[in-house]
Amino acid sequence: DGGITQSPKYLFRKEGQNVTLSCEQNLNHDAMYWYRQDPGQGLRLIYYSQIVNDFQKGDIAEGYSVSREKKESFPLTVTSAQKNPTAFYLCASSRPNEKLFFGSGTQLSVL
Amino acid sequence: AQSVTQPDIHITVSEGASLELRCNYSYGATPYLFWYVQSPGQGLQLLLKYFSGDTLVQGIKGFEAEFKRSQSSFNLRKPSVHWSDAAEYFCAVERTSYDKVIFGPGTSLSVIP
Repeated sequence: DGGITQSPKYLFRKEGQNVTLSCEQNLNHDAMYWYRQDPGQGLRLIYYSQIVNDFQKGDIAEGYSVSREKKESFPLTVTSAQKNPTAFYLCASSRPNEKLFFGSGTQLSVL
Repeated sequence: AQSVTQPDIHITVSEGASLELRCNYSYGATPYLFWYVQSPGQGLQLLLKYFSGDTLVQGIKGFEAEFKRSQSSFNLRKPSVHWSDAAEYFCAVERTSYDKVIFGPGTSLSVIP
């Protein structure tokens, strides 16, 4: 079945540590997105990519990094520079102007 | 700054009552418009979308939305709310083809039996 897979479901970060969230899709979608969801703030765009080897910053990119070496994969690294990383992270993919397909999310917490 | 706003943070309605959730955007041209719903513990589901043409769009679960260019609005409506409609509702905007998708802050809907 086609879909979008995020892992892990839960992740804990220690002080000063970088952590990487995985996102894989087999829908053959060109566009992929990373959103951060905090209560009362909706989904805020971190990074997005419309094509392999290219990505753009969203509204809250500071403290995060991404890569898009393959069409199927769009991993997100939460760096130590992100001082408030506790949140629910959602990855999504789509065709242009079509609906977003979302993964099941990763809950990141700080130890 | 370009943005999507949903003025109502939380709305409570009685079961069977009508519902209208507001969404406004600040982009210059007519963007692509979406409404998503996120039920507790569930992923986001697309309710409906507007690209062009008829400004009244029908979606799933009995929802509809009306695009009003003059008001830069895309309000979501349902004539009779069911208890299962209790959820978080998000308006989203894609400015042009191959552009980023921006979400509003969401409106939380509670339904009183």
